[in-house]
Amino acid sequence: DQQVKQNSPSLSVQEGRISILNCDYTNSMFDYFLWYKKYPAEGPTFLISISSIKDKNEDGRFTVFLNKSAKHLSLHIVPSQPGDSAVYFCAATASGTYKYIFGTGTRLKVLA
Amino acid sequence: DARVTQTPRHKVTEMGQEVTMRCQPILGHNTVFWYRQTMMQGLELLAYFRNRAPLDDSGMPKDRFSAEMPDATLATLKIQPSEPRDSAVYFCASGLVRGTGELFFGEGSRLTVL
Repeated sequence: DQQVKQNSPSLSVQEGRISILNCDYTNSMFDYFLWYKKYPAEGPTFLISISSIKDKNEDGRFTVFLNKSAKHLSLHIVPSQPGDSAVYFCAATASGTYKYIFGTGTRLKVLA
Repeated sequence: DARVTQTPRHKVTEMGQEVTMRCQPILGHNTVFWYRQTMMQGLELLAYFRNRAPLDDSGMPKDRFSAEMPDATLATLKIQPSEPRDSAVYFCASGLVRGTGELFFGEGSRLTVL
């Protein structure tokens, strides 16, 4: 039962363009969402988060959008840089449960 | 520079052997997680603790896996006996979670069971 789904295993984008990574969830109790980036042979590192009381959160080149009715969130990276090439995981939790569920990841490749 | 520390970084063992992975969470963090990275499941939640108490270990095979937190500075994940299908990268993460909060991951323990 995959409660958090990233349906695109991989994505290639040209440097300077926008990268859009998508994530869907099934549990309507989830109210806090996070994106992590993972380089090979390293642990995932936190990128950006969003609470369900918002529909957008921005941090530099990274913006996360949340569509609660569609149970969908997306991460936009603008402009994309070669150093952004990594695996991106989305995660979700319901406040107070302390249970963080991660998706299967999307491998982003930014072409120079 | 506070970080989550995991040992060993790499472990190669033979089927049937016991494997113990250790994690030192960031000092002051109240929640500790064990995840396993696989191609099919992504980051699969195995078990997690809050204030050292186990909250949920439904994600791991009970007959062979066990997770404990003997003190606030150490979490362990044990596999006995190990099987080839256990080969994966195991991550520990910790966080100061008050309802919500971000998690900080260690670099992982890569396990290969022959």
